[in-house]
Amino acid sequence: QKEVEQNSGPLSVPEGAIASLNCTYSDRGSQSFFWYRQYSGKSPELIMSIYSNGDKEDGRFTAQLNKASQYVSLLIRDSQPSDSATYLCALIPSGGYNKLIFGAGTRLAVHP
Amino acid sequence: NAGVMQNPRHLVRRRGQEARLRCSPMKGHSHVYWYRQLPEEGLKFMVYLQKENIIDESGMPKERFSAEFPKEGPSILRIQQVVRGDSAAYFCASSPSRDSEAFFGQGTRLTVV
Repeated sequence: QKEVEQNSGPLSVPEGAIASLNCTYSDRGSQSFFWYRQYSGKSPELIMSIYSNGDKEDGRFTAQLNKASQYVSLLIRDSQPSDSATYLCALIPSGGYNKLIFGAGTRLAVHP
Repeated sequence: NAGVMQNPRHLVRRRGQEARLRCSPMKGHSHVYWYRQLPEEGLKFMVYLQKENIIDESGMPKERFSAEFPKEGPSILRIQQVVRGDSAAYFCASSPSRDSEAFFGQGTRLTVV
């Protein structure tokens, strides 16, 4: 089992819709979770971090964490064509320092 | 405050040559991480360094790859005798402490021909 699993997509949503991106992980000791956005040919850009169970909202983005189910999700409301990118789920494994383990990413395509 | 600086942005090497990738962390950051991204894949952790020390190199291939972060100057990821399979984007990230947010550089895209 991979440490961090994501559906590779592409996930295609119409402009203005809600995009829902999902991620599961295997290390129960993980405490820190992140969503990065990566445009083609560019570096990853941190968009959300979440550390405790529940929802965390920042503008159009909401991250959800369920440690019991080992599940992290990212919701993007009012999706825009500029949101089209690959979204990488990442975590810091139990061990205590900032060594990120990434999923393979989900490609999101928002069409006008 | 400049971000994490990586150079070169693009590097082409023939099989068997050496590749040197440089990373200057953000000012005040003493923790550096290197990641590799193969085409159509996520980023894979390679090595974590603090000034003059390798803390975790569990993601580094056993041969041909080495990394350093000297007291003065940038961190260097060195790949000897490159092969086509080394073609990838190599990203560096830095943070001010071991458990704070890390910021990524723009990456070096290595192509082995």
